[in-house]
Amino acid sequence: QQQVKQSPQSLIVQKGGISIINCAYENTAFDYFPWYQQFPGKGPALLIAIRPDVSEKKEGRFTISFNKSAKQFSLHIMDSQPGDSATYFCAASLNSGGSNYKLTFGKGTLLTVNP
Amino acid sequence: DTGVSQDPRHKITKRGQNVTFRCDPISEHNRLYWYRQTLGQGPEFLTYFQNEAQLEKSRLLSDRFSAERPKGSFSTLEIQRTEQGDSAMYLCASSGQLVAFFGQGTRLTVV
Repeated sequence: QQQVKQSPQSLIVQKGGISIINCAYENTAFDYFPWYQQFPGKGPALLIAIRPDVSEKKEGRFTISFNKSAKQFSLHIMDSQPGDSATYFCAASLNSGGSNYKLTFGKGTLLTVNP
Repeated sequence: DTGVSQDPRHKITKRGQNVTFRCDPISEHNRLYWYRQTLGQGPEFLTYFQNEAQLEKSRLLSDRFSAERPKGSFSTLEIQRTEQGDSAMYLCASSGQLVAFFGQGTRLTVV
């Protein structure tokens, strides 16, 4: 059972373009939704995260849009740069009621930004 | 370096051998997690410690796997009688509350 579904599997964008990665979740109890960036041979690094009480969060060129009723959230990378080329993972966790904050990840999106 | 540290970075072992990995979390973090990541997949949760107590284990963690976190500081993950299917990146993460910080991982190859 895949609780967090991520699409697309891979994405090619031209420098300066907008990269959009989508995720859908099943467990309505999830209440924390981070995005991680991973370069080859490295561990995942937190990029940006959102709680379900807001519909959008922006940090620099990165924006999360969150749709609670549709159980979907997406990452938008504006003005994409070749240095953004990496694998991006959405994740979700339950952080209330004494839970352990463990993350459930999507399968990842390999982003390639062409110069 | 005050991040999560994992050792070794790479391990090649023969099938049937035992291996042990170490994770040093960020010092003030009381929560520690182990995840496994195979090629083309997202990390999958293996086990969770709060301080020295192991509070949750995934069904992915067979009897050949054991994890410890003595004194609530560093943690070890041991795999006994390794199988080729154990080949993966083993990631350790720590957190104080919401935000989990990952180490660089240990890449295990079983030949």
